[in-house]
Amino acid sequence: EAGVAQSPRYKIIEKRQSVAFWCNPISGHATLYWYQQILGQGPKLLIQFQNNGVVDDSQLPKDRFSAERLKGVDSTLKIQPAKLEDSAVYLCASSLNPDGITDTQYFGPGTRLTVL
Amino acid sequence: AQKITQTQPGMFVQEKEAVTLDCTYDTSDPSYGLFWYKQPSSGEMIFLIYQGSYDQQNATEGRYSLNFQKARKSANLVISASQLGDSAMYFCAMRPYLNGNQFYFGTGTSLTVIP
Repeated sequence: EAGVAQSPRYKIIEKRQSVAFWCNPISGHATLYWYQQILGQGPKLLIQFQNNGVVDDSQLPKDRFSAERLKGVDSTLKIQPAKLEDSAVYLCASSLNPDGITDTQYFGPGTRLTVL
Repeated sequence: AQKITQTQPGMFVQEKEAVTLDCTYDTSDPSYGLFWYKQPSSGEMIFLIYQGSYDQQNATEGRYSLNFQKARKSANLVISASQLGDSAMYFCAMRPYLNGNQFYFGTGTSLTVIP
């Protein structure tokens, strides 16, 4: 079974530029998550999708971050314009059944973003 | 409020020895899941083990076991017979079932296995 795919693996941009990350979840997983992990910290949830609907985006900085999952499968996270403090690893995860207490999230390899 | 605490920023263990990574949590939810993930330097979060709040027995997965003490709100990870490949960051996470289904992660423990 293929895991969660993410691209690119690395991205370096200058502040005020825009950037986009792509994620393809495990086949059949209805729920998709985007996390931001700053160096030395645990992952912080940015947005959670159930199929193509948003379940939780309370911690997404909506003035500069946006995300979509148009067909309920793959997803794109965009930052526009980027700030220095956006330098982090952006992790995508998916899970099969978020209503089940045993539901486990499986993570992709992440995209390491450096903003100069 | 939901909170996960990992008080050990770094741990060292001799190869083939056992090591315990500490995790305490705080939640008002009666039902919740506890998870441990391993994050090697490559960056991917690898799921290791799960413990449900109503599970009577401690979870085990190969060399990993979870020492679950509900009254103390602790969910420590025990790695037996450490291997060099176990060197990584380890994150404890909690998922309160009734409160949004969101995962809450601790700050992680860096484990180094010494040959």
